[in-house]
Amino acid sequence: QQQVKQSPQSLIVQKGGISIINCAYENTAFDYFPWYQQFPGKGPALLIAIRPDVSEKKEGRFTISFNKSAKQFSVHIMDSQPGDSATYFCAASMEESGSQGNLIFGKGTKLSVKP
Amino acid sequence: DTAVSQTPKYLVTQMGNDKSIKCEQNLGHDTMYWYKQDSKKFLKIMFSYNNKELIINETVPNRFSPKSPDKAHLNLHINSLELGDSAVYFCASSQRTSGSRETQYFGPGTRLLVL
Repeated sequence: QQQVKQSPQSLIVQKGGISIINCAYENTAFDYFPWYQQFPGKGPALLIAIRPDVSEKKEGRFTISFNKSAKQFSVHIMDSQPGDSATYFCAASMEESGSQGNLIFGKGTKLSVKP
Repeated sequence: DTAVSQTPKYLVTQMGNDKSIKCEQNLGHDTMYWYKQDSKKFLKIMFSYNNKELIINETVPNRFSPKSPDKAHLNLHINSLELGDSAVYFCASSQRTSGSRETQYFGPGTRLLVL
């Protein structure tokens, strides 16, 4: 059972456009939702994260939207640039005994921004 | 200065061999992790470990074993390697203070190919 579902699998956007990646989760115990960015040949790196007590968080060109009732969250990349081309992973974790905050990842979205 | 380092970067070996991957973090974190990324880029937690507790993902074969000589190191030993073990293995670390979900910092990955 996949606990975090991510879509789309791949995304092509023109430079300057908006990239939108969506995730849905099933376990209501999740209380931390980070997005990671991974460039080819590199390890994932935290991009932005949100907790359920806020509905939106913005950092530069990146915005996370969170809908607790729908159990969905998404990242919007405004003014997408070729340098944003990477694989993006949403993730979720929970604070409970025995979990150590382990991240459950979505399957990733490969973003290509065309010049 | 590299925060999370792994050695080797590439590992090519024969089926049935035993191999180890080393991980070191210089961030002073108290929790370390091993993730497996398959050919479809899917990231899955294998182990998480701090000085109190080892959590093993139940789907990980017991041929895989983490070993931590000290707080800054978490090595991964793999016995009787199989073709399906071919993947990229990422080490990560974080600081798990009570009630906090700190960022996980990933290493550059070890690309394992079993022939």
